[in-house]
Amino acid sequence: AQSVAQPEDQVNVAEGNPLTVKCTYSVSGNPYLFWYVQYPNRGLQFLLKYITGDNLVKGSYGFEAEFNKSQTSFHLKKPSALVSDSALYFCAVRGIYGGATNKLIFGTGTLLAVQP
Amino acid sequence: ETGVTQSPTHLIKTRGQQVTLRCSSQSGHNTVSWYQQALGQGPQFIFQYYREEENGRGNFPPRFSGLQFPNYSSELNVNALELDDSALYLCASSLAWGVDEQYFGPGTRLTVT
Repeated sequence: AQSVAQPEDQVNVAEGNPLTVKCTYSVSGNPYLFWYVQYPNRGLQFLLKYITGDNLVKGSYGFEAEFNKSQTSFHLKKPSALVSDSALYFCAVRGIYGGATNKLIFGTGTLLAVQP
Repeated sequence: ETGVTQSPTHLIKTRGQQVTLRCSSQSGHNTVSWYQQALGQGPQFIFQYYREEENGRGNFPPRFSGLQFPNYSSELNVNALELDDSALYLCASSLAWGVDEQYFGPGTRLTVT
């Protein structure tokens, strides 16, 4: 079965410091991986995706993610955190279930808190 | 903004009632997916519609049903509401093929009392 795990419920970082939000995955075949961000009382906003190619993927708002096949990880990173980055972050893998090829399987989310 | 809209924003229903939630997909997207996000959890896939037909279902009972219309709008219907149905319901639109990202609406917060 395909799944993702986000081992940290919350990540705390000071503004200006680098941040990392961790994600590991389990899939059969090539993984299609996504990061989404959710602000309070809002839907999910797409940040970036890995399909194939370069292991370092750049996305919106200065975020990037590193795909590591040997460690089955897809960690989200940003060189310098902003207070406005504080939100709930979800890692997701594209699953195939009964023909729904665009079904996303989400992790449980990691709350990022950036202190000023 | 993603161009995906949902209505209503909030809804309160009583156990046993029926509810219809609505979504308007991004123009040109012929696939819509519905997700349930319980408090403190990640979204869980309910089902997907492609060209007005159900194209996959997650682990949800038949009392969860949907419709997709030619004008990029869709509905999620839930019959015989239970307390555990209280959640944020998200719709997401995408192109059917390839590995395009899904564009999510702001969600409908359903409370069942």
